[in-house]
Amino acid sequence: GQNIDQPTEMTATEGAIVQINCTYQTSGFNGLFWYQQHAGEAPTFLSYNVLDGLEEKGRFSSFLSRSKGYSYLLLKELQMKDSASYLCAVRFSNYQLIWGAGTKLIIKP
Amino acid sequence: DTGVSQDPRHKITKRGQNVTFRCDPISEHNRLYWYRQTLGQGPEFLTYFQNEAQLEKSRLLSDRFSAERPKGSFSTLEIQRTEQGDSAMYLCASSPMGEFSYEQYFGPGTRLTVT
Repeated sequence: GQNIDQPTEMTATEGAIVQINCTYQTSGFNGLFWYQQHAGEAPTFLSYNVLDGLEEKGRFSSFLSRSKGYSYLLLKELQMKDSASYLCAVRFSNYQLIWGAGTKLIIKP
Repeated sequence: DTGVSQDPRHKITKRGQNVTFRCDPISEHNRLYWYRQTLGQGPEFLTYFQNEAQLEKSRLLSDRFSAERPKGSFSTLEIQRTEQGDSAMYLCASSPMGEFSYEQYFGPGTRLTVT
């Protein structure tokens, strides 16, 4: 079966760093995505990892370990606007994505 | 480039009625996806088009659901004999053709409420 696990909710302080973990068990693997979704809005693309290692993009970084079925999203210098859900998704076929339920991140001043 | 658009943004219907949603992808994008999302869950894949061809369809999709992309541009998703369990956000996404064209661009979604 296909399974993606993320924490349901996390809380962090403005200006701090937070790491959101994602573990997956899928029948195939062609890459892993992170998307951000504000309440009532559509998901927006953050990062894509297909090889092991860390990908850095501004305040956001994403890490992948294919042998462990594990990824994390690292958010630095947190801002209030970062309050959103963060979705992990695995591309297990050419076209299909399997999505986690998302991690709701709450930023406190 | 105006992004992916969906119409309507909200739809309230009575159980048993048919509904149809429209998606206009980014103009040069060949790939089009439909997803369904309920509160507190990630998007659930429904179907995928490459140009006008429907190449993948979720096994979770019942016969009440049908999607078309007749000219390889806009797409429609129809739900027949709606049920309360169909209440959800229906998202459309598109992406360009190409080996490294992995990012999917989402539309704002159509929120369906079945009463």
